[in-house]
Amino acid sequence: SYVLSQPPSVSVAPGQTARIPCGGNNIGSKSVHWYQQKPGQAPVLVVFDDADRPSGIPERFSGSNSGNTATLTISRVEAGDEADYYCQVWDTATEHVVFGGGTKLTVL
Amino acid sequence: QLQLQESGPGLVKPSETLSLTCTVSGGSMRSGYHDWAWIRQPPGKGLEWIGTIYYVGTTYYSPSLKSRVTISVDPSKNQFSLNLNSVSAADTAVYYCARPRSSSLFDPWGQGILVTVSS
Repeated sequence: SYVLSQPPSVSVAPGQTARIPCGGNNIGSKSVHWYQQKPGQAPVLVVFDDADRPSGIPERFSGSNSGNTATLTISRVEAGDEADYYCQVWDTATEHVVFGGGTKLTVL
Repeated sequence: QLQLQESGPGLVKPSETLSLTCTVSGGSMRSGYHDWAWIRQPPGKGLEWIGTIYYVGTTYYSPSLKSRVTISVDPSKNQFSLNLNSVSAADTAVYYCARPRSSSLFDPWGQGILVTVSS
């Protein structure tokens, strides 16, 4: 089965740039979606199809995807960005949805 | 704007069947070619896809749950449902309903419902 790998945690100071990687075999050939989940809340889509943003999501959130790694980038990080972030793909080979294990973003 | 709301018992006994309903508001399930999904999250852990039902009626389930899970739709009630049988403590989780869209992204999500499996 297809596996997505994320680091358990990433830390960044306010105002700096956070980069959260999501690794998978030839993930560059898939559409990657990213969700933000704050404590006690449902996940919220922040980036879809590798690099697009839903309406209402700040331009500070961006994404890229190439080779074996997709990356969620959060520029000018704010305290309110502190959350868990999950990547997700559709594995066409198995016709299953796959989530990464999640990354906890800590704003120092 | 489409909204989803999960409902069902918060406590289920081991070996019994977990049954949840997701009510869709802000739009009719009959008005479009919509798919529907369930996702769960054990306490302190990550997201786990349970399954998706497509508007044509086809279902896809997680291989780890496939033998125990059924997802169905009732457009007349604007609801879709999850049944998970033979539950154990490992099925304790927050269960979310969500709408899959193109490329199988999920948006929106329900607020989630905590289901505890315990005697």
